[in-house]
Amino acid sequence: GAVVSQHPSWVICKSGTSVKIECRSLDFQATTMFWYRQFPKQSLMLMATSNEGSKATYEQGVEKDKFLINHASLTLSTLTVTSAHPEDSSFYICSARPNLNEQFFGPGTRLTVL
Amino acid sequence: DQQVKQNSPSLSVQEGRISILNCDYTNSMFDYFLWYKKYPAEGPTFLISISSIKDKNEDGRFTVFLNKSAKHLSLHIVPSQPGDSAVYFCAASRMNSGYSTLTFGKGTMLLVSP
Repeated sequence: GAVVSQHPSWVICKSGTSVKIECRSLDFQATTMFWYRQFPKQSLMLMATSNEGSKATYEQGVEKDKFLINHASLTLSTLTVTSAHPEDSSFYICSARPNLNEQFFGPGTRLTVL
Repeated sequence: DQQVKQNSPSLSVQEGRISILNCDYTNSMFDYFLWYKKYPAEGPTFLISISSIKDKNEDGRFTVFLNKSAKHLSLHIVPSQPGDSAVYFCAASRMNSGYSTLTFGKGTMLLVSP
């Protein structure tokens, strides 16, 4: 299957710091990427849909000023958690869609905010 | 309101036996269903999918059954292997909208013992 990478895989930061997470599709172009968040023992919750060249579409309850998404190219989307707080600690996963029928996930980024 | 439900948080099966993972959905607009396997601290890996125009799809040891009238699908793994031990997520999508966001269940942890 297609490969999606995320960087970093694990980040620990102090409260108030902004953290940027990168999502790359390595062997295909993706006009659409998705950002999910998973709390322990919970489902993956879609945060936003990242569209190349346009603004992201955020799900209800997700603060767009808190979670900044930039989809600058067909192979890269970034999620920036601004002024992170301990409650933002979570596992963030991106996915990319080479076509309508498939969606491939990155390995995830563990964010711990102290 | 959870639109995709996996009511069994865990399942234990002996090696060689059949594993049956169940998933129910409430939104009749869903027309494409996927199963993902996830190890801790990793992103989900696609396993198998099924379109609502079918009632069965088979790929090696994995078979997905869809009962549209009951809004129910199941994943059968036979024979089960210890390496199958992971969390399995059921996901549903509305492909006919041309916009394939995924709605996930909470997952079922499968443990296959030797």
